[in-house]
Amino acid sequence: RKEVEQDPGPFNVPEGATVAFNCTYSNSASQSFFWYRQDCRKEPKLLMSVYSSGNEDGRFTAQLNRASQYISLLIRDSKLSDSATYLCVVSSNTGGFKTIFGAGTRLFVKA
Amino acid sequence: NAGVTQTPKFQVLKTGQSMTLQCAQDMNHNSMYWYRQDPGMGLRLIYYSASEGTTDKGEVPNGYNVSRLNKREFSLRLESAAPSQTSVYFCASPRGGLAETTGELFFGEGSRLTVL
Repeated sequence: RKEVEQDPGPFNVPEGATVAFNCTYSNSASQSFFWYRQDCRKEPKLLMSVYSSGNEDGRFTAQLNRASQYISLLIRDSKLSDSATYLCVVSSNTGGFKTIFGAGTRLFVKA
Repeated sequence: NAGVTQTPKFQVLKTGQSMTLQCAQDMNHNSMYWYRQDPGMGLRLIYYSASEGTTDKGEVPNGYNVSRLNKREFSLRLESAAPSQTSVYFCASPRGGLAETTGELFFGEGSRLTVL
């Protein structure tokens, strides 16, 4: 089993749709959680950190459920420019540095 | 992204050839990392350096060597390239150093390596 698992997609949605990405992680000692965005043939860039209380940044909402070891990202009112791969990232600093990336979920937003 | 600079951006090698990927960061960060990204696999850590003069193995270190030349530079060397090393390589540096895993990772633009 992979340490961080994501639905690979792709997700094909029309503009204006709401889309949700899910991610599960296996290391219960994980401390920090992030969503990164990666455009085609580009480097990953931080989209948002994920806090236990949940957090929102404009059209994007991230949730963390530590009991179920589950992270989610919700995108409301999808734009064409949201088309990208979304990477779930989990970090821990116990027993040595460890930041694990999920394989990513590909999103295509169509006009 | 002027923070982390990688060279070269593209390289084609023949099996058995050697090459070095260069990475430099101008953010005065202590930590630097090398990842590889393969389809369906996500980014996997090859080596990391918590500070100048130190390096440690990551998840997939076999076939690679690294050198932390100074605080700015962290190079990745393939001594005898194999087709399995065909990948996209990313150098990264986190804000705040190794212990601060809550920090953002800044990536270079990537180096696309093909081994024939």
